[in-house]
Amino acid sequence: EPEVTQTPSHQVTQMGQEVILRCVPISNHLYFYWYRQILGQKVEFLVSFYNNEISEKSEIFDDQFSVERPDGSNFTLKIRSTKLEDSAMYFCASSRDHSNQPQHFGDGTRLSIL
Amino acid sequence: AQSVTQLGSHVSVSEGALVLLRCNYSSSVPPYLFWYVQYPNQGLQLLLKYTTGATLVKGINGFEAEFKKSETSFHLTKPSAHMSDAAEYFCAVSRADSGNTPLVFGKGTRLSVIA
Repeated sequence: EPEVTQTPSHQVTQMGQEVILRCVPISNHLYFYWYRQILGQKVEFLVSFYNNEISEKSEIFDDQFSVERPDGSNFTLKIRSTKLEDSAMYFCASSRDHSNQPQHFGDGTRLSIL
Repeated sequence: AQSVTQLGSHVSVSEGALVLLRCNYSSSVPPYLFWYVQYPNQGLQLLLKYTTGATLVKGINGFEAEFKKSETSFHLTKPSAHMSDAAEYFCAVSRADSGNTPLVFGKGTRLSVIA
């Protein structure tokens, strides 16, 4: 069964540095998402992406964050000037183009900011 | 706005006993409802979903959930717990009125299964 794959599985970065989290969505999916889960808290929506542009974003997704689909397969989340509170598990998800199609999640990238 | 409340951050059952994980939602528009399971160090795996039609939905691993609009609930059940069911379970809601919309998750319920 097709899967959403995320790399790296664990990223350790010094505060203030930039990080890029990578995702390969399922190949025939058209909607892409990033969520995050701070340790011990609920999974929170960051941003959704469709047709090469952001379709929706949450209050969390401020100017520090950006997303890109640089080629036909990858979907990236860039975090600039990382802060301690950016430490979390970041999940990528994708879904097909119908509104009742479920989102399929990757295994996540654990981001640790030191 | 939408929100999800999962009653009980931790539920413990004996192997073979009934599993009941509670989920109540709030939504100003017709909702789509989902249950996801998360095993340690893994991503979120879809257990089941309610979109339209039959209000009792069956998912993987013997789980099922019933959408009750009058109670704004979508509780997850399994008749007989297995050790492999131990995991974190998340209820989620999205909007049914337009396109693919973000999921709003509950805080999760950790299920422990005792031998």
